[in-house]
Amino acid sequence: QQQVKQSPQSLIVQKGGISIINCAYENTAFDYFPWYQQFPGKGPALLIAIRPDVSEKKEGRFTISFNKSAKQFSLHIMDSQPGDSATYFCAASRANSGYALNFGKGTSLLVTP
Amino acid sequence: EAGVTQSPTHLIKTRGQQVTLRCSPISGHTSVYWYQQALGLGLQFLLWYDEGEERNRGNFPPRFSGRQFPNYSSELNVNALELEDSALYLCASSPGQTSGQPQHFGDGTRLSIL
Repeated sequence: QQQVKQSPQSLIVQKGGISIINCAYENTAFDYFPWYQQFPGKGPALLIAIRPDVSEKKEGRFTISFNKSAKQFSLHIMDSQPGDSATYFCAASRANSGYALNFGKGTSLLVTP
Repeated sequence: EAGVTQSPTHLIKTRGQQVTLRCSPISGHTSVYWYQQALGLGLQFLLWYDEGEERNRGNFPPRFSGRQFPNYSSELNVNALELEDSALYLCASSPGQTSGQPQHFGDGTRLSIL
């Protein structure tokens, strides 16, 4: 049973555009929501993370928007660059499971020149 | 600062064999997590070790097991290998269960079962 649902599965964005990836969850006990970026042949790298007491968090070109009532959160990549082409995973975790990550299925992002 | 290191990088086994994968966490990290990234199934949580103890496991059969050593490094053992065990096995570490996150991943061990 997929605890975190991610969409879209793939995304093509032109250089300079905004990439938006969405995730939804059901378990209201989740209290930590990270996003990871993965390049081929590499492990996932933490991009940015948010807790449910905050509605938005920005780090450079990456922004997480969090809607607690809707149980949804999204990643926005501003001014997308070809180097951002990678697979992005959202995840959710909770303290009583030691923050074991429940991942979405991933979004393959291609930024065209 | 060295990141999470995993060995070996690639491994080929046949059905029924046993395999051991190794992980060294970031210095100062006491929690180690194991994940399986199989084609079509995404990233799935396998096991969590903290301070030498298994604290939680995901929905995997008992033939997946492991341990954590006093230096916080960890091993993942898989017995009676099946074709469906072909996957990238990822290890992540974090400072400990009291701080929980963030988890930093190694580049994984690619396991192929023939």
